Amino acid sequence: DAMVIQNPRYQVTQFGKPVTLSCSQTLNHNVMYWYQQKSSQAPKLLFHYYDKDFNNEADTPDNFQSRRPNTSFCFLDIRSPGLGDAAMYLCATSVGQGYEKLFFGSGTQLSVL
Amino acid sequence: DQQVKQNSPSLSVQEGRISILNCDYTNSMFDYFLWYKKYPAEGPTFLISISSIKDKNEDGRFTVFLNKSAKHLSLHIVPSQPGDSAVYFCAAKERSYNTDKLIFGTGTRLQVFP
Repeated sequence: DAMVIQNPRYQVTQFGKPVTLSCSQTLNHNVMYWYQQKSSQAPKLLFHYYDKDFNNEADTPDNFQSRRPNTSFCFLDIRSPGLGDAAMYLCATSVGQGYEKLFFGSGTQLSVL
Repeated sequence: DQQVKQNSPSLSVQEGRISILNCDYTNSMFDYFLWYKKYPAEGPTFLISISSIKDKNEDGRFTVFLNKSAKHLSLHIVPSQPGDSAVYFCAAKERSYNTDKLIFGTGTRLQVFP
């Protein structure tokens, strides 16, 4: 059974039209992460939540926001998508004890037209 | 500036032979390293890890070696199997008491042919 679930698998949006990607987990993990991966590049951390505490990476654009209404769900909001935001978005979870592996979802491939 | 580097974008190995995937890092504060495997249309899955206090960790056909002085680690797969064909990501993290956030390399695509 899938433990980290991302919906949808593929998302198409228009330039400038807000879009929300969703992630849910059945692991009851404390920490949830959002990574962005562009073609042939390394996955890049955008932000993470430890419980309800939000931690933004210094170079994450303001265009990207996140919400975590409860332990199980986390959302990535892109307020005004640009062509450069087309990428695979990966959600991951971990226990949050410093030496734990991350569990990834299958990702959402975002296209911006 | 890439803190974790995988300089070989691809590797092709014959079934039954050894696959060696390499990874270099620049941040001396990294103290835990992981390898992830990714099939097309799936998320990365954890493969093996190593703490900086060790120089080797083995799990079945997979062995990771760490050379701290050279800031280099490698993943050995022996014997290689066609099902090992995937993209392999090296990842590293700094010591933290409450998060496990990882810095990833760009990946190496391994192809194992019969």
